[in-house]
Amino acid sequence: EDQVTQSPEALRLQEGESSSLNCSYTVSGLRGLFWYRQDPGKGPEFLFTLYSAGEEKEKERLKATLTKKESFLHITAPKPEDSATYLCAAPNSGGYQKVTFGIGTKLQVIP
Amino acid sequence: GAGVSQSPRYKVAKRGQDVALRCDPISGHVSLFWYQQALGQGPEFLTYFQNEAQLDKSGLPSDRFFAERPEGSVSTLKIQRTQQEDSAVYLCASSLAWTSTGELFFGEGSRLTVL
Repeated sequence: EDQVTQSPEALRLQEGESSSLNCSYTVSGLRGLFWYRQDPGKGPEFLFTLYSAGEEKEKERLKATLTKKESFLHITAPKPEDSATYLCAAPNSGGYQKVTFGIGTKLQVIP
Repeated sequence: GAGVSQSPRYKVAKRGQDVALRCDPISGHVSLFWYQQALGQGPEFLTYFQNEAQLDKSGLPSDRFFAERPEGSVSTLKIQRTQQEDSAVYLCASSLAWTSTGELFFGEGSRLTVL
């Protein structure tokens, strides 16, 4: 069964304190690993797509990396405006249009 | 507007009532998805349209749930005889090039509360 597992479920950081969020997946024939950001009361907002092990993508203070079994979202010197829930997702092995999302990591950055 | 628009944003229904949730995708987007997001959970796939064709409805939880997109643009998710377990945020997303970029554009969602 396709699964996407995120950890930790919640993370509280001081402003400027770098950390990483983890996403592990069990999807055969991975055809992409997606990261989204979701603010309270809003829909998810696309951040990155990673397609192959070793690939890295960056956007401002965020860097996403991918291995054969997991992905990391590294947050460097976070600011309070980075506070949000970060969702990891992957297309199901049985049907590309069906995407499995993780439960998300709720990040709080304290000034 | 330029984004995905959903209405109503909030809906309170008594158990047993029928509800209809509307999604207006970004103009020109052929792919349209519905997701259900329970409190504290990630979005769960309900159904997928390519233009007016519903290609995957495997995520619809029961036959009380029905979705349509008759002209390939606006979509409606209908829930008949609502139950308390239907309480959730219903998210609509659209995409032009989903299979090549993985990017979905989500609306803000319709929050359904069933009393």
